[in-house]
Amino acid sequence: GAGVSQSPSNKVTEKGKDVELRCDPISGHTALYWYRQRLGQGLEFLIYFQGNSAPDKSGLPSDRFSAERTGESVSTLTIQRTQQEDSAVYLCASSQGHGVFTLHFGNGTRLTVT
Amino acid sequence: GQQVMQIPQYQHVQEGEDFTTYCNSSTTLSNIQWYKQRPGGHPVFLIQLVKSGEVKKQKRLTFQFGEAKKNSSLHITATQTTDVGTYFCAAVPTDSWGKFQFGAGTQVVVTP
Repeated sequence: GAGVSQSPSNKVTEKGKDVELRCDPISGHTALYWYRQRLGQGLEFLIYFQGNSAPDKSGLPSDRFSAERTGESVSTLTIQRTQQEDSAVYLCASSQGHGVFTLHFGNGTRLTVT
Repeated sequence: GQQVMQIPQYQHVQEGEDFTTYCNSSTTLSNIQWYKQRPGGHPVFLIQLVKSGEVKKQKRLTFQFGEAKKNSSLHITATQTTDVGTYFCAAVPTDSWGKFQFGAGTQVVVTP
């Protein structure tokens, strides 16, 4: 596609429910990132995928968070047993990788946990 | 772990004035990037700096990478209302290519 696509754009869920967020990176981009941005705050690194290498999961805040990536395409971020503090915009970004790391961001998924 | 500090967090500028925002890292960086996020939007790449002491210009924006590769600055001259947004630096440490750490951002408000 022309850009990074994220779905849904908005998600409202009840506390305790599981949610799944999807990211379609730019075709051919080998690197994919998830960031979390709370209201008025900076970007908090969550996880980084590079090609077929093991992902860097060092930013995941708890074991309720997990992410998968199918080859070098779609990624899903799953949050289990959501809590109110999980409310934020979840941004996905991709880059070409192979030494080129300019990030191209999607429009994000705004998650609200009630 | 690496810390990336941005100052100021908030900048209120009169149209036509200049201002500078600063980004400081606790560790030496392989490169640094700057992004702009308009209100309600997503971050958009502006520039990448790689070399020690590097200076790059984009129209009214001047970006600089420190000699020690631990800090960077963004200077905007003759601010316009289109400059409104939050400016983030994104640091890549020398030991972790591709793993960006973003600063908290400088939110810029421009008064006509």
